[in-house]
Amino acid sequence: DTGVSQNPRHKITKRGQNVTFRCDPISEHNRLYWYRQTLGQGPEFLTYFQNEAQLEKSRLLSDRFSAERPKGSFSTLEIQRTEQGDSAMYLCASSLARRTGTVLSSYEQYFGPGTRLTVT
Amino acid sequence: AQRVTQPEKLLSVFKGAPVELKCNYSYSGSPELFWYVQYSRQRLQLLLRHISRESIKGFTADLNKGETSFHLKKPFAQEEDSAMYYCALRPYPGNQFYFGTGTSLTVIP
Repeated sequence: DTGVSQNPRHKITKRGQNVTFRCDPISEHNRLYWYRQTLGQGPEFLTYFQNEAQLEKSRLLSDRFSAERPKGSFSTLEIQRTEQGDSAMYLCASSLARRTGTVLSSYEQYFGPGTRLTVT
Repeated sequence: AQRVTQPEKLLSVFKGAPVELKCNYSYSGSPELFWYVQYSRQRLQLLLRHISRESIKGFTADLNKGETSFHLKKPFAQEEDSAMYYCALRPYPGNQFYFGTGTSLTVIP
């Protein structure tokens, strides 16, 4: 396991097309996050999964965006009817969360290399 | 609303000089604060988190709740410290991370 992987690394698409990105987390990690990063900005949280359940979604995530993690392993992020404003780096991160009694401890996030989307 | 502010986009220091990267946050509850680093052509990675109270690569950061700050410090900068640094906040309870806009640190030999 060489860490979090993302495919494709680059995607150029025309406005109005649909795109899908894939993230493969570190195998034992039960949490998976999606972020978007535009030039000159830090990563912006989009959504996160605990196993296969999507537990939180940012208000930034419009109806055109959908994410899945069907078997609690890899995840996909789909953008429908892409717009030029969707051009950004899409980052995936995974982490391990463990419950000890009533305490849930979340460990370090490991980031993937990102998928750079360009919408023309 | 939660917000993380890194006032300096660019920071240059000479090798061996002290360095401080500023981070201020706004959050009414108890946050967890982090510093992430991205070296050239590498992935974003965790540098340190305030609850660990540890020093990584000579860097330390103290959470000052009164000033709502979490500045990153190192007494003697090294050339290999040149990178992009992001401050991040996670509200408690919660799992969303809020990142600042980042500071690009250049250490001049």
